[in-house]
Amino acid sequence: EAQVTQNPRYLITVTGKKLTVTCSQNMNHEYMSWYRQDPGLGLRQIYYSMNVEVTDKGDVPEGYKVSRKEKRNFPLILESPSPNQTSLYFCASSFILAPYNEQFFGPGTRLTVL
Amino acid sequence: DAKTTQPTSMDCAEGRAANLPCNHSTISGNEYVYWYRQIHSQGPQYIIHGLKNNETNEMASLIITEDRKSSTLILPHATLRDTAVYYCIVRVAITQGGSEKLVFGKGMKLTVNP
Repeated sequence: EAQVTQNPRYLITVTGKKLTVTCSQNMNHEYMSWYRQDPGLGLRQIYYSMNVEVTDKGDVPEGYKVSRKEKRNFPLILESPSPNQTSLYFCASSFILAPYNEQFFGPGTRLTVL
Repeated sequence: DAKTTQPTSMDCAEGRAANLPCNHSTISGNEYVYWYRQIHSQGPQYIIHGLKNNETNEMASLIITEDRKSSTLILPHATLRDTAVYYCIVRVAITQGGSEKLVFGKGMKLTVNP
């Protein structure tokens, strides 16, 4: 089954404790992206990657890191989480096929930073 | 960047057609209209997209006005499972590679009532 998976689905952590949220897709997509969703603010893009070893900042990259060593994986790293990073996080992937592509989203990771 | 405006919310009776409007008066000639939906904090799900012509797939129909300044997503026989936040998005292209960032607004909450 074609899908985007994220782990963990739920995480409660404390300020400053490094964490990684994994994202994996099995559709051979070039493009992968991380979004965060907060009440009243909608979905905002954190980072994206157009292919292996190619990453770039989205709208709200501060406090986050990503890597794209393999095509299927795009982990989101919080080196020193803070309470303002408490949010619902989504990973997405798609083919790069202008002018249209359908983005597939993962199930989400709900992160709470105390 | 073209932006979209949608009503905040809408109700629909189960089994009836749900017509979800969207205004995108500043859309440019080569920008597509996409619709996604998000069911209760799950990952957003692609529904349909269009450029000029009306489009139909197994989920919905998309009617785009001739001047392309507005569109309507039609769910022909709404079910309780169609209760979700629906996002009307105009494609925002990243400058190179043909990929794209989806800019999600606040969307419109559709409630399908029994």
